[in-house]
Amino acid sequence: SAVISQKPSRDICQRGTSLTIQCQVDSQVTMMFWYRQQPGQSLTLIATANQGSEATYESGFVIDKFPISRPNLTFSTLTVSNMSPEDSSIYLCSARPGETQYFGPGTRLLVL
Amino acid sequence: GESVGLHLPTLSVQEGDNSIINCAYSNSASDYFIWYKQESGKGPQFIIDIRSNMDKRQGQRVTVLLNKTVKHLSLQIAATQPGDSAVYFCAEILYNQGGKLIFGQGTELSVKP
Repeated sequence: SAVISQKPSRDICQRGTSLTIQCQVDSQVTMMFWYRQQPGQSLTLIATANQGSEATYESGFVIDKFPISRPNLTFSTLTVSNMSPEDSSIYLCSARPGETQYFGPGTRLLVL
Repeated sequence: GESVGLHLPTLSVQEGDNSIINCAYSNSASDYFIWYKQESGKGPQFIIDIRSNMDKRQGQRVTVLLNKTVKHLSLQIAATQPGDSAVYFCAEILYNQGGKLIFGQGTELSVKP
Protein backbone atom coordinates (compact mmCIF):
# COMPACT_ATOMS: atom_id res chain seq x y z
CA SER A 1 0.00 0.00 0.00
CA ALA A 2 0.96 3.67 -0.01
CA VAL A 3 0.20 6.56 2.30
CA ILE A 4 -0.12 9.83 0.45
CA SER A 5 -0.15 13.32 1.91
CA GLN A 6 -0.92 16.60 0.22
CA LYS A 7 -0.26 20.22 1.07
CA PRO A 8 -2.15 22.47 1.37
CA SER A 9 -5.34 20.70 2.37
CA ARG A 10 -7.37 23.69 1.24
CA ASP A 11 -6.85 27.21 0.00
CA ILE A 12 -8.75 30.26 -1.14
CA CYS A 13 -7.04 32.13 -3.95
CA GLN A 14 -7.58 35.22 -6.02
CA ARG A 15 -8.12 34.91 -9.74
CA GLY A 16 -4.99 35.36 -11.82
CA THR A 17 -2.70 33.87 -9.20
CA SER A 18 -1.10 30.42 -9.15
CA LEU A 19 -1.06 27.69 -6.52
CA THR A 20 1.36 24.79 -6.21
CA ILE A 21 0.09 21.62 -4.58
CA GLN A 22 2.60 19.22 -3.07
CA CYS A 23 2.23 15.46 -2.90
CA GLN A 24 4.38 13.15 -0.78
CA VAL A 25 4.26 9.34 -0.91
CA ASP A 26 5.64 7.17 1.90
CA SER A 27 7.34 4.78 -0.52
CA GLN A 28 9.13 5.00 -3.83
CA VAL A 29 6.77 4.75 -6.78
CA THR A 30 7.29 5.14 -10.49
CA MET A 31 3.71 6.01 -11.39
CA MET A 32 1.98 9.06 -9.93
CA PHE A 33 -1.14 10.78 -11.16
CA TRP A 34 -3.08 13.99 -10.65
CA TYR A 35 -6.89 14.10 -10.73
CA ARG A 36 -9.52 16.81 -10.44
CA GLN A 37 -12.89 16.32 -8.82
CA GLN A 38 -15.59 18.93 -9.22
CA PRO A 39 -18.18 19.05 -6.42
CA GLY A 40 -20.58 16.14 -6.60
CA GLN A 41 -18.82 14.59 -9.56
CA SER A 42 -16.41 11.81 -10.36
CA LEU A 43 -12.65 12.06 -10.68
CA THR A 44 -11.08 13.22 -13.94
CA LEU A 45 -7.48 12.40 -14.75
CA ILE A 46 -5.37 15.49 -15.42
CA ALA A 47 -2.02 13.89 -16.10
CA THR A 48 0.29 10.98 -15.48
CA ALA A 49 3.60 11.94 -13.87
CA ASN A 50 6.14 9.15 -14.08
CA GLN A 51 9.57 9.81 -12.65
CA GLY A 52 12.20 10.27 -15.32
CA SER A 53 9.84 11.36 -18.08
CA GLU A 54 7.68 14.30 -19.03
CA ALA A 55 4.17 14.33 -17.67
CA THR A 56 1.48 13.05 -20.02
CA TYR A 57 -1.63 15.23 -20.09
CA GLU A 58 -5.18 14.14 -20.83
CA SER A 59 -7.39 15.82 -23.36
CA GLY A 60 -8.49 19.22 -22.09
CA PHE A 61 -5.49 19.75 -19.82
CA VAL A 62 -2.29 21.50 -20.91
CA ILE A 63 1.13 21.92 -19.41
CA ASP A 64 1.00 25.71 -19.41
CA LYS A 65 -2.08 25.63 -17.18
CA PHE A 66 -1.12 22.65 -15.01
CA PRO A 67 2.67 22.30 -14.90
CA ILE A 68 3.82 19.22 -13.02
CA SER A 69 7.13 18.39 -11.43
CA ARG A 70 8.38 14.92 -10.48
CA PRO A 71 11.85 15.40 -9.01
CA ASN A 72 12.12 11.97 -7.33
CA LEU A 73 10.27 8.73 -6.65
CA THR A 74 8.34 9.99 -3.61
CA PHE A 75 7.30 13.53 -4.52
CA SER A 76 5.35 15.50 -7.11
CA THR A 77 3.85 18.94 -7.47
CA LEU A 78 0.94 20.25 -9.51
CA THR A 79 0.63 23.97 -10.18
CA VAL A 80 -2.69 25.52 -11.10
CA SER A 81 -1.68 28.62 -13.06
CA ASN A 82 -3.48 31.86 -13.75
CA MET A 83 -6.49 30.65 -11.80
CA SER A 84 -10.10 31.47 -12.55
CA PRO A 85 -13.24 30.57 -10.59
CA GLU A 86 -13.70 27.59 -12.95
CA ASP A 87 -10.59 26.06 -11.40
CA SER A 88 -12.37 25.75 -8.06
CA SER A 89 -12.26 22.04 -7.40
CA ILE A 90 -10.64 19.26 -5.41
CA TYR A 91 -7.23 18.22 -6.72
CA LEU A 92 -6.10 14.71 -5.80
CA CYS A 93 -2.70 13.11 -6.01
CA SER A 94 -2.50 9.38 -6.63
CA ALA A 95 0.23 6.75 -6.72
CA ARG A 96 0.48 3.16 -7.89
CA PRO A 97 3.15 1.25 -6.01
CA GLY A 98 2.05 -2.09 -7.44
CA GLU A 99 -1.14 -2.69 -9.35
CA THR A 100 -3.49 -1.03 -6.89
CA GLN A 101 -3.74 2.75 -6.97
CA TYR A 102 -4.00 4.90 -3.85
CA PHE A 103 -5.11 8.47 -3.32
CA GLY A 104 -4.21 11.40 -1.15
CA PRO A 105 -6.82 13.34 0.85
CA GLY A 106 -7.14 16.04 -1.78
CA THR A 107 -6.58 19.79 -1.91
CA ARG A 108 -9.76 21.86 -1.86
CA LEU A 109 -9.28 24.97 -3.93
CA LEU A 110 -11.64 27.92 -4.08
CA VAL A 111 -10.86 30.69 -6.55
CA LEU A 112 -12.57 34.04 -6.02
CA GLY B 1 -14.35 6.35 -26.34
CA GLU B 2 -13.90 4.16 -23.32
CA SER B 3 -16.07 4.89 -20.33
CA VAL B 4 -17.05 3.37 -17.08
CA GLY B 5 -20.51 4.26 -15.85
CA LEU B 6 -22.93 3.45 -13.11
CA HIS B 7 -26.62 2.62 -13.41
CA LEU B 8 -27.85 4.27 -10.20
CA PRO B 9 -26.56 7.60 -8.94
CA THR B 10 -28.15 7.20 -5.47
CA LEU B 11 -29.01 4.24 -3.30
CA SER B 12 -30.76 4.29 0.04
CA VAL B 13 -30.82 1.14 2.18
CA GLN B 14 -31.87 0.17 5.66
CA GLU B 15 -29.18 -0.64 8.17
CA GLY B 16 -28.56 -4.37 8.17
CA ASP B 17 -29.75 -4.91 4.62
CA ASN B 18 -27.46 -5.87 1.76
CA SER B 19 -26.46 -3.23 -0.80
CA ILE B 20 -25.70 -3.78 -4.46
CA ILE B 21 -23.99 -1.09 -6.51
CA ASN B 22 -23.70 -1.63 -10.24
CA CYS B 23 -21.25 -0.44 -12.86
CA ALA B 24 -20.99 -0.85 -16.63
CA TYR B 25 -17.76 -0.53 -18.57
CA SER B 26 -17.19 -0.23 -22.29
CA ASN B 27 -13.57 -1.25 -22.86
CA SER B 28 -13.59 -4.97 -23.57
CA ALA B 29 -9.79 -5.03 -23.30
CA SER B 30 -9.85 -3.92 -19.66
CA ASP B 31 -7.97 -6.27 -17.41
CA TYR B 32 -8.29 -4.88 -13.92
CA PHE B 33 -11.05 -3.17 -11.97
CA ILE B 34 -11.10 -1.44 -8.60
CA TRP B 35 -13.90 -0.29 -6.30
CA TYR B 36 -13.31 2.82 -4.20
CA LYS B 37 -15.21 4.34 -1.30
CA GLN B 38 -15.11 8.10 -0.84
CA GLU B 39 -16.36 9.66 2.35
CA SER B 40 -17.16 13.33 2.54
CA GLY B 41 -14.02 15.47 2.62
CA LYS B 42 -11.66 12.56 1.96
CA GLY B 43 -9.86 10.96 -0.95
CA PRO B 44 -11.04 7.68 -2.49
CA GLN B 45 -10.24 4.63 -0.39
CA PHE B 46 -9.46 1.26 -1.98
CA ILE B 47 -12.09 -1.38 -1.15
CA ILE B 48 -11.54 -4.36 -3.41
CA ASP B 49 -10.22 -5.22 -6.84
CA ILE B 50 -10.75 -7.92 -9.43
CA ARG B 51 -8.91 -9.10 -12.48
CA SER B 52 -10.61 -9.99 -15.73
CA ASN B 53 -9.72 -13.67 -15.35
CA MET B 54 -11.99 -13.85 -12.29
CA ASP B 55 -15.75 -13.53 -12.00
CA LYS B 56 -16.00 -13.11 -8.25
CA ARG B 57 -13.86 -11.92 -5.39
CA GLN B 58 -14.76 -11.61 -1.73
CA GLY B 59 -13.45 -9.38 0.99
CA GLN B 60 -14.67 -8.53 4.43
CA ARG B 61 -18.43 -7.92 4.00
CA VAL B 62 -17.86 -6.99 0.35
CA THR B 63 -18.04 -9.03 -2.83
CA VAL B 64 -17.27 -7.91 -6.34
CA LEU B 65 -18.80 -9.70 -9.31
CA LEU B 66 -17.55 -9.34 -12.86
CA ASN B 67 -19.55 -10.32 -15.93
CA LYS B 68 -17.31 -9.87 -18.95
CA THR B 69 -19.98 -10.99 -21.38
CA VAL B 70 -22.10 -7.94 -20.67
CA LYS B 71 -19.24 -5.79 -19.33
CA HIS B 72 -20.79 -5.33 -15.94
CA LEU B 73 -19.40 -5.03 -12.42
CA SER B 74 -21.20 -5.03 -9.12
CA LEU B 75 -20.21 -4.37 -5.54
CA GLN B 76 -22.20 -6.14 -2.88
CA ILE B 77 -22.02 -4.97 0.73
CA ALA B 78 -23.43 -7.37 3.30
CA ALA B 79 -25.21 -6.15 6.42
CA THR B 80 -24.82 -2.51 5.49
CA GLN B 81 -23.86 -0.24 8.37
CA PRO B 82 -24.13 3.56 8.83
CA GLY B 83 -20.37 3.77 8.37
CA ASP B 84 -20.83 2.45 4.84
CA SER B 85 -22.56 5.70 3.83
CA ALA B 86 -20.34 7.22 1.16
CA VAL B 87 -19.94 7.58 -2.59
CA TYR B 88 -18.73 4.42 -4.31
CA PHE B 89 -16.81 4.48 -7.56
CA CYS B 90 -15.81 1.71 -9.90
CA ALA B 91 -12.62 2.31 -11.84
CA GLU B 92 -10.89 0.59 -14.69
CA ILE B 93 -7.23 0.45 -15.60
CA LEU B 94 -6.72 0.93 -19.33
CA TYR B 95 -3.52 -0.96 -20.03
CA ASN B 96 -3.87 -0.19 -23.72
CA GLN B 97 -3.71 3.51 -22.87
CA GLY B 98 -0.63 3.69 -20.73
CA GLY B 99 -2.23 2.09 -17.72
CA LYS B 100 -4.32 5.05 -16.66
CA LEU B 101 -7.12 4.59 -14.13
CA ILE B 102 -10.50 5.88 -15.28
CA PHE B 103 -13.40 6.41 -12.89
CA GLY B 104 -17.09 5.76 -13.32
CA GLN B 105 -19.85 8.17 -12.36
CA GLY B 106 -20.23 7.18 -8.72
CA THR B 107 -23.15 6.03 -6.56
CA GLU B 108 -24.02 7.70 -3.29
CA LEU B 109 -25.01 5.12 -0.70
CA SER B 110 -27.15 6.31 2.18
CA VAL B 111 -27.78 3.96 5.09
CA LYS B 112 -30.88 4.60 7.18
CA PRO B 113 -30.69 3.57 10.83
